[in-house]
Amino acid sequence: QKEVEQDPGPLSVPEGAIVSLNCTYSNSAFQYFMWYRQYSRKGPELLMYTYSSGNKEDGRFTAQVDKSSKYISLFIRDSQPSDSANYLCAMRANAGGTSYGKLTFGQGTILTVHP
Amino acid sequence: DGGITQSPKYLFRKEGQNVTLSCEQNLNHDAMYWYRQDPGQGLRLIYYSQIVNDFQKGDIAEGYSVSREKKESFPLTVTSAQKNPTAFYLCATAGGWYTEAFFGQGTRLTVV
Repeated sequence: QKEVEQDPGPLSVPEGAIVSLNCTYSNSAFQYFMWYRQYSRKGPELLMYTYSSGNKEDGRFTAQVDKSSKYISLFIRDSQPSDSANYLCAMRANAGGTSYGKLTFGQGTILTVHP
Repeated sequence: DGGITQSPKYLFRKEGQNVTLSCEQNLNHDAMYWYRQDPGQGLRLIYYSQIVNDFQKGDIAEGYSVSREKKESFPLTVTSAQKNPTAFYLCATAGGWYTEAFFGQGTRLTVV
């Protein structure tokens, strides 16, 4: 079993839709959670970063973390064609232990927003 | 201009040859990472380093080697032992254990 599982998609939605992207994880040492957006043939860029359970909002983006269920989500409101990209979740373990410092990614979800 | 520089952007290698990918940063970050990305496979961790002169194997280290002699530099060598080296290689850095990671623009390696 992979440490991080991401709903692979691909996902195709109309402009203006609400998008939900999801990841589950099995390693309880993961304490820091990130979402990245990657355009074709480019390096990923950071969208959201959080380390506590609950919601964190930034503009049209909301990151949700549920540590008890080992589940994280990214919501995109009023989606735009420019949001079309590969979205990756990532997690890092807390200090100490064999996973110390390791940053692990999900498989990515390719999102297409059509006009 | 601050950031992470990966070079070259495109690299071609003949089978049986070793090749070294460069990653340089001027962000004064302690942690550096190398990932490989294949279509539909997300990012897979090759090696990572938390401090100069120390590094750890990731999930797919076989056929790769690294060094961390300077804080600013974390070169990756793809050896002839790597059976399927054609991929997109990404370098990332992070300021500390609790901080987010930032990426370079990647090197696309093709074996010809």
